[in-house]
Amino acid sequence: EDKVVQSPLSLVVHEGDTVTLNCSYEVTNFRSLLWYKQEKKAPTFLFMLTSSGIEKKSGRLSSILDKKELFSILNITATQTGDSAVYLCAVGLYNAGNMLTFGGGTRLMVKP
Amino acid sequence: DVKVTQSSRYLVKRTGEKVFLECVQDMDHENMFWYRQDPGLGLRLIYFSYDVKMKEKGDIPEGYSVSREKKERFSLILESASTNQTSMYLCASSPHGGGVGTQYFGPGTRLLVL
Repeated sequence: EDKVVQSPLSLVVHEGDTVTLNCSYEVTNFRSLLWYKQEKKAPTFLFMLTSSGIEKKSGRLSSILDKKELFSILNITATQTGDSAVYLCAVGLYNAGNMLTFGGGTRLMVKP
Repeated sequence: DVKVTQSSRYLVKRTGEKVFLECVQDMDHENMFWYRQDPGLGLRLIYFSYDVKMKEKGDIPEGYSVSREKKERFSLILESASTNQTSMYLCASSPHGGGVGTQYFGPGTRLLVL
């Protein structure tokens, strides 16, 4: 059975802190790993990773994939209150429909 | 911009009622998905469709059915709603093969079954 596990379940930090969110996976037919940010409603896409060792960056957020150890991390530096959200990791599989298997999410709260 | 809309943001239904959740996307995407989201469980796939009239079961299809009569519309049906179907329901769409799994989500429907 395909499995995606995120840790920690939740995290409370202060503005300016750096956080690292973890995502490990056990799936067949791995194609890609995606990170989403979900505030009050629809998840919004952050990153898609397909190759090991290549860091993707967008402002204060960055992510990297390790296909040998089957995990990814999402880093957020100099956190702001607007970073408070649930962060979802999902793995894309090679099959019809571009199906995604999601992890349980990490709830991040950034205090002023 | 891709737009995925869902017919209701909030819905309250009684046990045993038939419930229809509608999802429409305007980007001519082949693939459409229905998830439910529960605290601590993340998003779990109920059904997906990769073409008109085609459907595939996801991880938790029991108690649900779907309909895709037109490319832009994917409906989720609860034939006889039960309290354990109280949840947030998210619809998503993606292009066939082009996005390597990138999905665009609707705003969600929060369903309460009493």
